[in-house]
Amino acid sequence: DQQVKQNSPSLSVQEGRISILNCDYTNSMFDYFLWYKKYPAEGPTFLISISSIKDKNEDGRFTVFLNKSAKHLSLHIVPSQPGDSAVYFCAASAGGGADGLTFGKGTHLIIQP
Amino acid sequence: NAGVTQTPKFRVLKTGQSMTLLCAQDMNHEYMYWYRQDPGMGLRLIHYSVGEGTTAKGEVPDGYNVSRLKKQNFLLGLESAAPSQTSVYFCASTNFYEQYFGPGTRLTVT
Repeated sequence: DQQVKQNSPSLSVQEGRISILNCDYTNSMFDYFLWYKKYPAEGPTFLISISSIKDKNEDGRFTVFLNKSAKHLSLHIVPSQPGDSAVYFCAASAGGGADGLTFGKGTHLIIQP
Repeated sequence: NAGVTQTPKFRVLKTGQSMTLLCAQDMNHEYMYWYRQDPGMGLRLIHYSVGEGTTAKGEVPDGYNVSRLKKQNFLLGLESAAPSQTSVYFCASTNFYEQYFGPGTRLTVT
């Protein structure tokens, strides 16, 4: 049973527009959420995170929103740039982070010129 | 400062052969992890370690063993490789929630 779900395998957005990537989770014990970006043949790189005690976290062009009651989070990228084309993984952690992350299957974001 | 490194980058094994994947980190992290990524799947946790000399099972531990004899190294072993273990393997480390990943090892078992 998938505890972290990314229901859109791919998303195409025009350069300069907003990209919105979505993620749903089922485990109420998750207390920290992260987004990773992955280019082909490279390891995932950390992008942005949010604690369950917050509902928004912003870092430059990237903002993550958390809706705990809906068990839903989203990543907004504004404005989208060609270098943002990559696979984005949503991940979640419970109980302090030591026990590892649970990942979604990823969304392939394609930025169209 | 190299971050997280993995050796080797690529490997082809025959069914039944054994091998060890090496992960090294120079960030003085306590926690280290091994994940596998298969096509169309997210990363799945194989084994992890919360400190030197300790290891624990993750979501998909069968067919793998690990050891953490030194804080900076985390080894993943396959005793008898199977085609189902064809995958890309990622190592990660952290002292908190944000994990830092290595570049991956692409393993093919024929």
